[in-house]
Amino acid sequence: ELKVEQNPLFLSMQEGKNYTIYCNYSTTSDRLYWYRQDPGKSLESLFVLLSNGAVKQEGRLMASLDTKARLSTLHITAAVHDLSATYFCAVEKDIRIQGAQKLVFGQGTRLTINP
Amino acid sequence: GAVVSQHPSWVICKSGTSVKIECRSLDFQATTMFWYRQFPKQSLMLMATSNEGSKATYEQGVEKDKFLINHASLTLSTLTVTSAHPEDSSFYICSARGGGPGTTDTQYFGPGTRLTVL
Repeated sequence: ELKVEQNPLFLSMQEGKNYTIYCNYSTTSDRLYWYRQDPGKSLESLFVLLSNGAVKQEGRLMASLDTKARLSTLHITAAVHDLSATYFCAVEKDIRIQGAQKLVFGQGTRLTINP
Repeated sequence: GAVVSQHPSWVICKSGTSVKIECRSLDFQATTMFWYRQFPKQSLMLMATSNEGSKATYEQGVEKDKFLINHASLTLSTLTVTSAHPEDSSFYICSARGGGPGTTDTQYFGPGTRLTVL
């Protein structure tokens, strides 16, 4: 059974600091996703990582994937208050229904960035 | 492009009543849609996979007769919570899988529906 674990689950940090969120998964997978969720809202797609060694960056966020270690990281550089949200990683699992694949989500990391 | 809508965005109902939630892919066709529920401060849990023209596939522990899913067209899936009870109160999120023109082979998420059962 595919399991996805994030850590830390809670993170409080000051503006301007750097930090990393980790996402471990238990079985091989083709794709890993990172999402952001604001309170009361749905998911906003941040990154899709498709291959070993993939690195993607958008603003102060950078995501990477190591398929051999079954590990993805989301790195935050010089954090700003607007990045406060809950961040989820999700790993795609094969299912045998018309080629569709379902997502298994990590627990989420609630990030609070203090001025 | 690749927008998914849900209706209603929130609903309050009395215990014992049924509630229908619609999920629409607005500018693309989706043969597969997914329904998730999310309790406060928790992660998303997949309830079922919905395929156009066929029966939905439910995850273990999800009651088929309580959560009725219909995927009647390539742009619409509905989730009906039957005989709702307070423990069904949750945030329900749908997603639609792309892969056709103008989309990528990934899930596009709707804005969610907050259900409160009194």
